[in-house]
Amino acid sequence: ETGVTQTPRHLVMGMTNKKSLKCEQHLGHNAMYWYKQSAKKPLELMFVYNFKEQTENNSVPSRFSPECPNSSHLFLHLHTLQPEDSALYLCASSQGTSGHNEQFFGPGTRLTVL
Amino acid sequence: QQQVKQSPQSLIVQKGGISIINCAYENTAFDYFPWYQQFPGKGPALLIAIRPDVSEKKEGRFTISFNKSAKQFSLHIMDSQPGDSATYFCAATSLGGGGNKLTFGTGTQLKVEL
Repeated sequence: ETGVTQTPRHLVMGMTNKKSLKCEQHLGHNAMYWYKQSAKKPLELMFVYNFKEQTENNSVPSRFSPECPNSSHLFLHLHTLQPEDSALYLCASSQGTSGHNEQFFGPGTRLTVL
Repeated sequence: QQQVKQSPQSLIVQKGGISIINCAYENTAFDYFPWYQQFPGKGPALLIAIRPDVSEKKEGRFTISFNKSAKQFSLHIMDSQPGDSATYFCAATSLGGGGNKLTFGTGTQLKVEL
């Protein structure tokens, strides 16, 4: 595997389900990100982790719970979601968060909440 | 203050033509302006970026033009090819203010026809 991988690629869940999205980066980076991409809207930064520590929470509802056990893995735990949470969830990584470090994106998880 | 406005929403160009996508920003603290290219089923990938100390940057067929006084920047794709068909996002950030917090435009879906 190379770059940034995300699983699953597609997920359909009911509003009462609990599911998790997984992201893994194979680039030796120290920072990881979760973004939400909705049609005709800008990419929304959700969370930033640097060296496993959360450095940014962009006022994300608590039904989204991130976890970063190490610099290579990032999870997004989902529970009690709403239909408006349906979107493409993108993970990204970068060498660091200071100055500008290019962010490398994974292919995303297409989430549908019924 | 944090918005980046992008136009057009969609664009159809004939093969060999010039594709032009425009972005405008409001935050004068922004000092780094990347463009991302996203193909269906893939995450965005950095295409080209510019700092405001130059008015133009060219990489192959891709050129960014930057107008600091107007707070506008644009992407020009010369000799557009069908393989350029993708969604393009402009973005902006302040390198001194946590350079990895990118503010994205809403995207332009480009289709290059034969």
